[in-house]
Amino acid sequence: DVKVTQSSRYLVKRTGEKVFLECVQDMDHENMFWYRQDPGLGLRLIYFSYDVKMKEKGDIPEGYSVSREKKERFSLILESASTNQTSMYLCASRARDGSSYEQYFGPGTRLTVT
Amino acid sequence: GIQVEQSPPDLILQEGANSTLRCNFSDSVNNLQWFHQNPWGQLINLFYIPSGTKQNGRLSATTVATERYSLLYISSSQTTDSGVYFCVGTYKYIFGTGTRLKVLA
Repeated sequence: DVKVTQSSRYLVKRTGEKVFLECVQDMDHENMFWYRQDPGLGLRLIYFSYDVKMKEKGDIPEGYSVSREKKERFSLILESASTNQTSMYLCASRARDGSSYEQYFGPGTRLTVT
Repeated sequence: GIQVEQSPPDLILQEGANSTLRCNFSDSVNNLQWFHQNPWGQLINLFYIPSGTKQNGRLSATTVATERYSLLYISSSQTTDSGVYFCVGTYKYIFGTGTRLKVLA
């Protein structure tokens, strides 16, 4: 079974803090993704990575950065957290090549910035 | 960009009823996938279905890529089917707005 894990289920941070959200997958997938989910706005892609040290901006990258130093790990960084970054953050992975491009999601991190 | 429209936006069913959820794309989409988001927020894979029909227990899905739509069928619904159902075109990772389903006991 594919497993995608996220470092925290719930996180509370203060405005201005630097926040790290970690995601680990165990299926040797090349592609990894970070989304945020907000009521009424659905899921929106923040960044994705198609290989180690490679990244591409998604639809809403402002205020975020990412790091992919190892294939299995993809980190989302909030350099200076703001209240409008309070959201549910979801990580996903999938294989780059092959017969299936099925995406697998982690359990999510609910971040509150006060 | 590609738009993904899901219908209906909300659905309430009595336990045991059947339903059909629809996903329309404004342009051709590869690698369509259906997810169920449970009340705890976890997105659970239902089907990876670029085309054709698949069945898994009480659920089945059909994608007609040439006509840019996909359907998810739920038969004999149960309260555990409650949650939000999303379709995704994984080429550009465009999520639909979801169908919120509530199944009443």
